[in-house]
Amino acid sequence: ELKVEQNPLFLSMQEGKNYTIYCNYSTTSDRLYWYRQDPGKSLESLFVLLSNGAVKQEGRLMASLDTKARLSTLHITAAVHDLSATYFCAVDAFKDMRFGAGTRLTVKP
Amino acid sequence: NAGVTQTPKFQVLKTGQSMTLQCAQDMNHEYMSWYRQDPGMGLRLIHYSVGAGITDQGEVPNGYNVSRSTTEDFPLRLLSAAPSQTSVYFCASSRGGAGELFFGEGSRLTVL
Repeated sequence: ELKVEQNPLFLSMQEGKNYTIYCNYSTTSDRLYWYRQDPGKSLESLFVLLSNGAVKQEGRLMASLDTKARLSTLHITAAVHDLSATYFCAVDAFKDMRFGAGTRLTVKP
Repeated sequence: NAGVTQTPKFQVLKTGQSMTLQCAQDMNHEYMSWYRQDPGMGLRLIHYSVGAGITDQGEVPNGYNVSRSTTEDFPLRLLSAAPSQTSVYFCASSRGGAGELFFGEGSRLTVL
C-alpha cells in the first residue's frame, strides 16, 4: 500500500529564513504534486513533478523530485507572511492519488 | 469558467439520515474523485471515476455510494450518516488518470 509521509507537520518560521519540507513515499512513482491550502479554503495546485530530477520553481518556492530515493522536497527561500498555509504533497499511484498529512507553515514577522 | 462546483457548502445531519453531495465540473475532465479531509490525516480518497459509467473504490469507501451517469456530474451519497462521517468533503477532477487535480470549494458535513 502506498504511504506518503511529510515532515515536519508543523513549521513556524521567521520572515526571511529558508526551510525545506520533505515528502517521502513508499512505492515506485514518478509523478508527484504539491498543493497549497489556506485556512477554510480549497486546495490549489502548486507544482507538478513528472520525472526523476524534475525541479520546478515559482517565486520563493522550489520543488524537486528524486524518484530513486522516493523523496520530494519543497524549499522555501526568504519566507514571507503570505506563504503561511498548509502544504500537501500527493503521489500518483495511477488511479489513486495519495496525500501526505500536510505541513502547516506559519511565517512570523 | 466555474471549474468544479460542490453543493451544499455546509450541512448538518442526524445519525441515520441520508444525503447527497453534488459535484459538477465544466472542464470536460474524464477523471473525478471524492476525498474527505480530517485534521492531521491529509486527504483520503473515498471513490473515483475514470469516465461516465465507471466508478471504483478508494481508500475509505464504506458508507458512501457514487455514480457517474455523465462526464460532468459525480454525486456522493451517504446512505446512513454516522458521526464518524463528520468531515470536510472535496470533489476533484483531472484530465486523465490521477493527474493534477482541480478541487471544488469543499462541503463541511456535521453528523450529530
